[in-house]
Amino acid sequence: EAQVTQNPRYLITVTGKKLTVTCSQNMNHEYMSWYRQDPGLGLRQIYYSMNVEVTDKGDVPEGYKVSRKEKRNFPLILESPSPNQTSLYFCASSSQFAQPQHFGDGTRLSIL
Amino acid sequence: RKEVEQDPGPFNVPEGATVAFNCTYSNSASQSFFWYRQDCRKEPKLLMSVYSSGNEDGRFTAQLNRASQYISLLIRDSKLSDSATYLCVVTHTGGFKTIFGAGTRLFVKA
Repeated sequence: EAQVTQNPRYLITVTGKKLTVTCSQNMNHEYMSWYRQDPGLGLRQIYYSMNVEVTDKGDVPEGYKVSRKEKRNFPLILESPSPNQTSLYFCASSSQFAQPQHFGDGTRLSIL
Repeated sequence: RKEVEQDPGPFNVPEGATVAFNCTYSNSASQSFFWYRQDCRKEPKLLMSVYSSGNEDGRFTAQLNRASQYISLLIRDSKLSDSATYLCVVTHTGGFKTIFGAGTRLFVKA
């Protein structure tokens, strides 16, 4: 089954404790992306990757890091999480940029 | 000004009604356009791509007006199951970014 898998689905943690949200896709897609969704603001792009080893900032990259060492994986790293990063996060992939994206189930992150 | 703006909503309509959503975008270099549907706390799912010639998928019709920089979605014969948030999405090659509108909430009532 074609899918984008995110883990964990839910996480409650404390300020400053490094965390990683994993994202994996099994569709051999080139384009991958991370979004956060906050009430009233919609989905905002954090980082995206055009292909392996090619990543770039979206509209809200501050406080986040990503890597794309393999085509299927695109982890999101919060080196020193803060409460303003409490949000619903989605990973997505598409065959190429500007094509329809498939989304993971989302990760609900709470930072106390 | 937001790069992609949608009708604020919510829209409350009876079953069987026709409802239209509009979306405007500000970047003239925008390349591709989509409507996604999102149910409460779930992941967005592609509803349809939007083409310059307009396109239809059952009860759903999408139109793109590049000159005026707006996209529309028409839903005919609304069903209870159409209740969701509809997201307008635009991509542009200026940075290879994907921009989502804030979404329009639709409630279809019996």
